[in-house]
Amino acid sequence: LAKTTQPISMDSYEGQEVNITCSHNNIATNDYITWYQQFPSQGPRFIIQGYKTKVTNEVASLFIPADRKSSTLSLPRVSLSDTAVYYCLVVDNNAGNMLTFGGGTRLMVKP
Amino acid sequence: DAGVTQSPTHLIKTRGQHVTLRCSPISGHKSVSWYQQVLGQGPQFIFQYYEKEERGRGNFPDRFSARQFPNYSSELNVNALLLGDSALYLCASITSGGLGEQFFGPGTRLTVL
Repeated sequence: LAKTTQPISMDSYEGQEVNITCSHNNIATNDYITWYQQFPSQGPRFIIQGYKTKVTNEVASLFIPADRKSSTLSLPRVSLSDTAVYYCLVVDNNAGNMLTFGGGTRLMVKP
Repeated sequence: DAGVTQSPTHLIKTRGQHVTLRCSPISGHKSVSWYQQVLGQGPQFIFQYYEKEERGRGNFPDRFSARQFPNYSSELNVNALLLGDSALYLCASITSGGLGEQFFGPGTRLTVL
């Protein structure tokens, strides 16, 4: 399984754009890049998933370069409620949905 | 629609005891996965069940077991509890056995004294 590396923590201010980068140097052909968000005492919540180039939904954008060895989660105009832990995962399409979480990035949004 | 539900929400046990945690997936979802999340760490995969059969097992001792019922609900059992079993136990459901978004429940907070 490809291992992911992401910053332990980040600080931002309300209204700013936040970019969290994740490296996954050993990503395999069958792997998809997936991001989850987790608030304290709650289960993780799916944010976005992509294979290559750019994916955008109502919550975030995911940028994946051609070599797929890294990815960047972009959160536009964050608010205080975006304070959470963000996990970058590499999901093997053939692994039967076994998600491998790392330590995540603790994002603190300040007023 | 109801999301993934788990019971109980909190539980306190002592070392050596046994515990059973329960999970009901989203209606129509046939696959359930269990994760353990120790404070300050990311969730760690324990089991996955699909159509009542075990499809995956993480690196956990045999004290941990699970099963899935015909209505797709699931139980996680832990025997001979250790202090280190104190954690948030998360259940996730998914529509099928393939790739897709996993929907997590709120978890059961287990404290072992």
